Amino acid sequence: NAGVTQTPKFQVLKTGQSMTLQCAQDMNHNSMYWYRQDPGMGLRLIYYSASEGTTDKGEVPNGYNVSRLNKREFSLRLESAAPSQTSVYFCASSESKGIAGELFFGEGSRLTVL
Amino acid sequence: GNSVTQMEGPVTLSEEAFLTINCTYTATGYPSLFWYVQYPGEGLQLLLKATKADDKGSNKGFEATYRKETTSFHLEKGSVQVSDSAVYFCALTTLEGSQGAQKLVFGQGTRLTINP
Repeated sequence: NAGVTQTPKFQVLKTGQSMTLQCAQDMNHNSMYWYRQDPGMGLRLIYYSASEGTTDKGEVPNGYNVSRLNKREFSLRLESAAPSQTSVYFCASSESKGIAGELFFGEGSRLTVL
Repeated sequence: GNSVTQMEGPVTLSEEAFLTINCTYTATGYPSLFWYVQYPGEGLQLLLKATKADDKGSNKGFEATYRKETTSFHLEKGSVQVSDSAVYFCALTTLEGSQGAQKLVFGQGTRLTINP
């Protein structure tokens, strides 16, 4: 049971470098999300994709871009990393049935920007 | 906008103690409410949920009741175990303007440690 798989699990970048976080789900879910987790702030939504072919900004989208490559995959790109983007990033997926349902999370990707 | 406030942590209890973690919310529309749990080194997983006022969510001995009049969704367990040590997050979603996506708004999390 793979569920939601994120890569890489750990990454260290220098300021100004770029990188892409990859996420894939095998549950045939329509919706996918990227959150960041910072101490004392809970999780904050960066971007989401309600269905294949659509993406929308969440609460903290600045400095990030996303691509919904197909129904399974949703990537997060940092074009020019900044120390403020040091965080733990979580990808999640869910069904979108118009009723409140469960989000399934990956194990997280810890990113450090020096 | 929507927001969730949880009691400050960390919380440390002895095994078999009674647990309450307070959660209050502010929301437009009619939110659904959730508790998620994060064990060390893992992603979040759903613990319980309630979708309308006066609903009680329950799972693994944990309970929470959706109180519209006090805008609260406090998490309780009668007798905690060492294995309950984790970070607990209260969250809400309203589904408004989300095209069906579950745009969760999370509280800041409460770290719970249970000592034997």
